[in-house]
Amino acid sequence: GIQVEQSPPDLILQEGANSTLRCNFSDSVNNLQWFHQNPWGQLINLFYIPSGTKQNGRLSATTVATERYSLLYISSSQTTDSGVYFCAVDNYGQNFVFGPGTRLSVLP
Amino acid sequence: KAGVTQTPRYLIKTRGQQVTLSCSPISGHRSVSWYQQTPGQGLQFLFEYFSETQRNKGNFPGRFSGRQFSNSRSEMNVSTLELGDSALYLCASSLMTGSGYTFGSGTRLTVV
Repeated sequence: GIQVEQSPPDLILQEGANSTLRCNFSDSVNNLQWFHQNPWGQLINLFYIPSGTKQNGRLSATTVATERYSLLYISSSQTTDSGVYFCAVDNYGQNFVFGPGTRLSVLP
Repeated sequence: KAGVTQTPRYLIKTRGQQVTLSCSPISGHRSVSWYQQTPGQGLQFLFEYFSETQRNKGNFPGRFSGRQFSNSRSEMNVSTLELGDSALYLCASSLMTGSGYTFGSGTRLTVV
């Protein structure tokens, strides 16, 4: 099945810093989502981005489907951005496969 | 509109018992998927239902089962609970198979 890798596994930032999270996948996909898991366990949808670039406030994402990767940018990070960020891909009508996640800690 | 609702939020069960978890999808969403999240294995796909039919199934033993009702609400059942079944169980709904997911808050199951 399709493999999903995320890097870095852990990231510690000072409040106000910028960061880039990466997601690599091993096969072509028709869907890709980025999620943020909050401390209570809920997965919050950030972007549904099978290709192209999207922005939502301080967050933006880019997926280059032909090169099998996606990037999530967080600018001017805040302590509330802390948590685990997951990339999930759908391999043409099958289930979404999740990466291992990037654990982000933003220090005040 | 209301989000995905999972009940109960927390559950403690004893080994050997069975448990039923419930998921109510977003109104109009017909696909419901279930995932198990553990620290060691990450997020693993359990199964997906669409219009009361199981469309996909992950690599879990037969003790894990589910169903979907005509109003798209879904239940999953785990029989003969084992300690290793302790996990966060997440449900996601989508308009159709392969479209974007919206997750519920999850049910945290502890087996003692």
